[in-house]
Amino acid sequence: GESVGLHLPTLSVQEGDNSIINCAYSNSASDYFIWYKQESGKGPQFIIDIRSNMDKRQGQRVTVLLNKTVKHLSLQIAATQPGDSAVYFCAENIMTGNQFYFGTGTSLTVIP
Amino acid sequence: GAVVSQHPSRVICKSGTSVKIECRSLDFQATTMFWYRQFPKKSLMLMATSNEGSKATYEQGVEKDKFLINHASLTLSTLTVTSAHPEDSSFYICSARYLNQETQYFGPGTRLLVL
Repeated sequence: GESVGLHLPTLSVQEGDNSIINCAYSNSASDYFIWYKQESGKGPQFIIDIRSNMDKRQGQRVTVLLNKTVKHLSLQIAATQPGDSAVYFCAENIMTGNQFYFGTGTSLTVIP
Repeated sequence: GAVVSQHPSRVICKSGTSVKIECRSLDFQATTMFWYRQFPKKSLMLMATSNEGSKATYEQGVEKDKFLINHASLTLSTLTVTSAHPEDSSFYICSARYLNQETQYFGPGTRLLVL
């Protein structure tokens, strides 16, 4: 199967600092990627997506960077807030397929 | 937009009974719905994919006779855990997708506890 892994299982940042969460994927044919945020006891929440024909996409306080050469994806959160504390998953998809493959998740803790 | 609901949010049942979990897309027509299972501090594991009006496609290792999936309409899919056992206790999450759009929108999850 596909393999989507995260470099760090946990990440702690000070409130107001920027956060960077990394993700490696193994299938070079993957052409669509999504970052999800999951708070404790809740379902995943869509944050931002990016297609493989892009290398950067920005949202509100979030930026996703895609490096297809090294099959690496990152999520940058600007001015991290306590409400950003959650587990973040990256997911990859081949557009012709149905499935998303999820990474193991990174737990982000924001220290007030 | 793109709201997906699940019912119930929590359920406790006795071993041997069956439990039905509903997944609804509230503001769009979900041509495809997905069912995931998640263990504590673990990632989501895809159990099955269902297209409206068709039989579900189950992932390897998922018993189709134990986890019955029905997707009878464009806004509703159900997962029935039959003859539940304590090892079926888990967090079950559905997601929905419209036509050929890639993005999946997730429900809030259902926590099942089998005693």
